[in-house]
Amino acid sequence: ETTVTQSPASLSMAVGEKVSISCKTSTDIDDDMNWYQQKSGEAPKLLISEGNTLRPGVPSRFSSSGYGTDFVFTINNVLLGDEGIYYCQQSDNVPYTFGAGTKLELK
Amino acid sequence: EVQLQESGPGLVKPSQSLSLTCSVTGYSITSNYWGWIRKFPGNKMEWMGYISYSGSTSYNPSLKSRISITRDTSKNQFFLQLNSVTTEDTATYYCARSGLGTFAYWGQGTLVTVSS
Repeated sequence: ETTVTQSPASLSMAVGEKVSISCKTSTDIDDDMNWYQQKSGEAPKLLISEGNTLRPGVPSRFSSSGYGTDFVFTINNVLLGDEGIYYCQQSDNVPYTFGAGTKLELK
Repeated sequence: EVQLQESGPGLVKPSQSLSLTCSVTGYSITSNYWGWIRKFPGNKMEWMGYISYSGSTSYNPSLKSRISITRDTSKNQFFLQLNSVTTEDTATYYCARSGLGTFAYWGQGTLVTVSS
């Protein structure tokens, strides 16, 4: 099973700042990493899919990079509406596994 | 547009079985992959398993022989059964459409509490 280690666990940012979230996997997963946003009371929303591909309708402020075992998710110019929990998830092999989540709060 | 909706009991007693239904509209479950994911209190997420367009299944080994995912193509629904539940199975359960491991469409989730 591929373990996904996500950090940090929480972030407190000011509007306009840059957010960076790291995920490291215990096995090489090529670029089979997905990133989700979950706002309070809602289902997770897929923001970026395998190959660092921005989903339709997702603002270009969101981006990701990485290959192999090290991945980074970035939000440029963070906005109040970006508050929530962000998860990485590997789709390379079964069982698909998630990072522990990063809770983003805006000051 | 594909939409998914979970339904089922919100309270299950320990040792009993948890049964949930996912009703899908806007897309046939005879295409793609359809899975169950749960989120525990404390935010941990766990992929439970999927049923494919052909009816084949894949399960998380952590659930061993407790899990079963089935479907009714005539109703465009798929189902989760989890046997011998304990309080550790208390979670919000989501159904989702996955292109194998990428979950692009989700239901709104249903909270299931295991308690006597």
